[in-house]
Amino acid sequence: AQSVSQHNHHVILSEAASLELGCNYSYGGTVNLFWYVQYPGQHLQLLLKYFSGDPLVKGIKGFEAEFIKSKFSFNLRKPSVQWSDTAEYFCAVNAHRTGTASKLTFGTGTRLQVTL
Amino acid sequence: DSGVTQTPKHLITATGQRVTLRCSPRSGDLSVYWYQQSLDQGLQFLIQYYNGEERAKGNILERFSAQQFPDLHSELNLSSLELGDSALYFCASSASTGTSGYEQYFGPGTRLTVT
Repeated sequence: AQSVSQHNHHVILSEAASLELGCNYSYGGTVNLFWYVQYPGQHLQLLLKYFSGDPLVKGIKGFEAEFIKSKFSFNLRKPSVQWSDTAEYFCAVNAHRTGTASKLTFGTGTRLQVTL
Repeated sequence: DSGVTQTPKHLITATGQRVTLRCSPRSGDLSVYWYQQSLDQGLQFLIQYYNGEERAKGNILERFSAQQFPDLHSELNLSSLELGDSALYFCASSASTGTSGYEQYFGPGTRLTVT
């Protein structure tokens, strides 16, 4: 079974600070990896995804993530956060099966609070 | 806007009652997923349908059931409701094949409050 760990539950940063949110997964096979963001009162939006290829992926709003296979990690980064980045961030995985969609397993989420 | 719609947005009901949540996937998407988001359990996968057939089951209670209709919309039925069923219920959809099938698009959710 797949599982996802997000070690930071609540992060508070000042604007312009750099961000790194940790995500580790557990799964015996090949996975697809995702970061979703949930702004207060809103639905989940996809920030970025990794299927294969370059392990450094860039997403929307200046976010990027690096897949490190040997560490089973997919950490999210942003060089300089903005107040509008205040939200909850979820790491998710699903099993990589060619041509078949499958369920997402989510981490518990990290609440990011950016102060002015 | 993800293209996935859910109704209603909010639902308040009493314990013991039954409710139906509705989801319309993005145009062309054959897979529909239901997730429950609660404070104590986080985001949990409930069930997946693909082109009208149940594809995978997660932590779905026996009091809950779902179906996907020929027009691909899906309904999640929750019965004998308990206080602990209060949560945000999300629907997601994905394309049927290829790498685009790995990516799920989420609807705005239905917030269920059981009193």
